[in-house]
Amino acid sequence: AQSVTQPDIHITVSEGASLELRCNYSYGATPYLFWYVQSPGQGLQLLLKYFSGDTLVQGIKGFEAEFKRSQSSFNLRKPSVHWSDAAEYFCAADMEYGNKLVFGAGTILRVKS
Amino acid sequence: EAGVAQSPRYKIIEKRQSVAFWCNPISGHATLYWYQQILGQGPKLLIQFQNNGVVDDSQLPKDRFSAERLKGVDSTLKIQPAKLEDSAVYLCASSPWTGGTDTQYFGPGTRLTVL
Repeated sequence: AQSVTQPDIHITVSEGASLELRCNYSYGATPYLFWYVQSPGQGLQLLLKYFSGDTLVQGIKGFEAEFKRSQSSFNLRKPSVHWSDAAEYFCAADMEYGNKLVFGAGTILRVKS
Repeated sequence: EAGVAQSPRYKIIEKRQSVAFWCNPISGHATLYWYQQILGQGPKLLIQFQNNGVVDDSQLPKDRFSAERLKGVDSTLKIQPAKLEDSAVYLCASSPWTGGTDTQYFGPGTRLTVL
């Protein structure tokens, strides 16, 4: 079955530390891949997306993600986390190239000062 | 540019009652989506509209859920009768139609609690 897995439910990092959030997908072909962020009471905001080409994708707010076909992964990274990055992060895939997103369960990021 | 608007933001109802949610997409966006986000899970697509036609409603529980987008602009999602397991955040999103995969823009959601 087509699915997106985010193995970490919660992650806590210190402010200024680096961050990596994991995402794996299960599908025969390479889907279009997305990372969204959701702050409390807010809608989801797109951080970045991968369709094809360069496997390292830059996004907003200093985030980047790397697509690795061999690992079916699309991990999100940030070199230095700010307290305002505390939120829930969702990885999503469009496996049918028809705007039908399948979301992972999300990873809640806590930032400690 | 105004974002996706949803109302109400919160709703509490008793089971077996009915409820309706409203969504106004970003101006000019042809595609509109309704998602259900249960606590602890990612959003799940319920229905996708292209203008006023349904593209995909395969995950919409049609015995109790209905949705319409009569004039191809705003949309309503209705639940009748509600069950306890319908407690969730209902997200509306919209995207422009470019013929490919488009960025979806999400509204703030409506949090439904069924008692």
